[in-house]
Amino acid sequence: GAVVSQHPSWVICKSGTSVKIECRSLDFQATTMFWYRQFPKQSLMLMATSNEGSKATYEQGVEKDKFLINHASLTLSTLTVTSAHPEDSSFYICSARRRPGSSGNTIYFGEGSWLTVV
Amino acid sequence: TQLLEQSPQFLSIQEGENLTVYCNSSSVFSSLQWYRQEPGEGPVLLVTVVTGGEVKKLKRLTFQFGDARKDSSLHITAAQPGDTGLYLCAGYNFNKFYFGSGTKLNVKP
Repeated sequence: GAVVSQHPSWVICKSGTSVKIECRSLDFQATTMFWYRQFPKQSLMLMATSNEGSKATYEQGVEKDKFLINHASLTLSTLTVTSAHPEDSSFYICSARRRPGSSGNTIYFGEGSWLTVV
Repeated sequence: TQLLEQSPQFLSIQEGENLTVYCNSSSVFSSLQWYRQEPGEGPVLLVTVVTGGEVKKLKRLTFQFGDARKDSSLHITAAQPGDTGLYLCAGYNFNKFYFGSGTKLNVKP
């Protein structure tokens, strides 16, 4: 089946620094990738939709200058948390949708990345 | 804002019991998916339903998409401890997937 990989799985960073999380579709081209944030025991909250070659679309309440998203190729999207604060600590998950027409609207999830800001 | 509301939020049952999880919305979705998530891992897709009224079976799991494509249900027959996890429904609309509030299921041996 389709595979989406996130890196790193775990990251600890100091307050005020920036950290980048990568999301790669390993065996298919993803025109659209989604970034979610999940707090413990809660559901996934959509942060932004990343389209290859264009600017990301952010959900209401998500600061685009703080959570920078780049979708430079059909297999890679990155989320950069800038000037991280402890309240940014969370589980970040990406998902990727195949190029339309090949597998409907099914999305495939990465393994998630745990971010801890100290 | 949660477009999709799931109920119940928490469910703790004994092995062998049956259960149903509901996913409701006031919005119409072109498709809906169910996922199961283990702590610290990404969600794993269980099923995708597309047609109103569609019923899909996956071993002991039965999924139904409402006729109006606004709601869905997941029924588990003879639950097992291995079914324990967070169950999430996700609706697709306007090029986005929105997740339900989640149902935490605990099946006790």
